[in-house]
Order: sequence, then structure tokens, then C-alpha cells
Amino acid sequence: NAGVTQTPKFRVLKTGQSMTLLCAQDMNHEYMYWYRQDPGMGLRLIHYSVGEGTTAKGEVPDGYNVSRLKKQNFLLGLESAAPSQTSVYFCASSPGGLGPQETQYFGPGTRLLVL
Amino acid sequence: QQQVKQSPQSLIVQKGGISIINCAYENTAFDYFPWYQQFPGKGPALLIAIRPDVSEKKEGRFTISFNKSAKQFSLHIMDSQPGDSATYFCAASPGRYGGATNKLIFGTGTLLAVQP
Repeated sequence: NAGVTQTPKFRVLKTGQSMTLLCAQDMNHEYMYWYRQDPGMGLRLIHYSVGEGTTAKGEVPDGYNVSRLKKQNFLLGLESAAPSQTSVYFCASSPGGLGPQETQYFGPGTRLLVL
Repeated sequence: QQQVKQSPQSLIVQKGGISIINCAYENTAFDYFPWYQQFPGKGPALLIAIRPDVSEKKEGRFTISFNKSAKQFSLHIMDSQPGDSATYFCAASPGRYGGATNKLIFGTGTLLAVQP
């Protein structure tokens, strides 16, 4: 099991460029999440999905879009990158439900630098 | 309402000592309180979690103490080791009251350094 994988590991963008971050999980999890991590601010939820074909906004959704066309994949898009989107992006998945099913499993992260 | 406040921001502990990290929350609907551990260059990983129906949970050297009336919970690392050096995040979730989303609200993190 690879768990949660993220592509790419690192990317440099110029202001206004677009890109898509890919998250894949092989644990058959129902729920998936995208977070951004910034110094001194912890992890903040961008968007999440509770099943294939569903998406919902999190705490900081502006400037991002997501899609979950397949259960195992969760895509995060930046349509027009801004320097404020320089961050480390983490994807996570969880089985869904309560108890141990609430555990979120994180990917290794994508470092994004917007110039 | 949705915030989880974590302190201290950083912590230096001698090997063998006790590390204590504190968190406070405001939303009484929170039902699930996990702690995540993150090593440099890695994603966070679940360390230990507690529900408000118990006041303490222990797993090895790691203990969560939970005070429901004060809306506070803390992580205690006994016999701290250099290998425990990492960033620790507390979090909270509405759990069964959250519409089955399992969304987590994270604290701002504590950078722990255990000196040999």
C-alpha cells in the first residue's frame, strides 16, 4: 500500500499561471481533504470531499477549485496563482464514519512557490 | 467559535523529561480531539486521540488529559527522547455532530526539541 501520494513534490509558478495538484489514495477511503500549511498557522482546510463526485468548501477555499471524479483521486486546481498561495499543500483521506474511521492519513505534501 | 488555541509555540526539553503541550477550544460541539505528529518534510500522522467522555487516555509514553468543563486538553510525553523531536498539532472535530464530514480544526502547532 502506497497510502496517500501527492504529485508533484515541488513546483515553482509565476503569478497568474495555473496548475493542478494530484492526490491519490489506495486505501478505498470515502473522505478526502486538501489543506495548506503556513508557518504559525497550522493546517487549514481548503476543500474536502465525502465521496466520489462530491466536493465542499473548507475554511480557506478562495482561489482554489477541486474535483473528485474517481474515488481514489482528489485534484486541487489553482486557476490564477498568487504569491499568497505560496505554501505547503497536504492531501489527506479517511475511511469515513466515527471512531478509528475518523483518522486522517496524510500525504507527503507539495511545496508550491509562487513568484 | 471554531478556533483551537495551542501553546507553547516551541518547547525545548531535556532527554528523559516531560513535554507538555496545551490546547483550548471554544465550540462545545467538538466531539473528537486528536493529536498529530509531524517530522520535517513529512505529512502529519495521528499520534493519539480522545473523546470527551473520558478524562485521560494513555498510549505508551503519550497521554492526553482532557478537561471538558475548562474546554482544554493537553498532550504529555513522558521520558521524552530525541526521536520525539517534531511538530505536534492538536485538533478538534465535531465528530458525530458534524454531519459526517470528519473535518478537523487544527491548532497552530508546537515545535518540540528534545536535547540529548
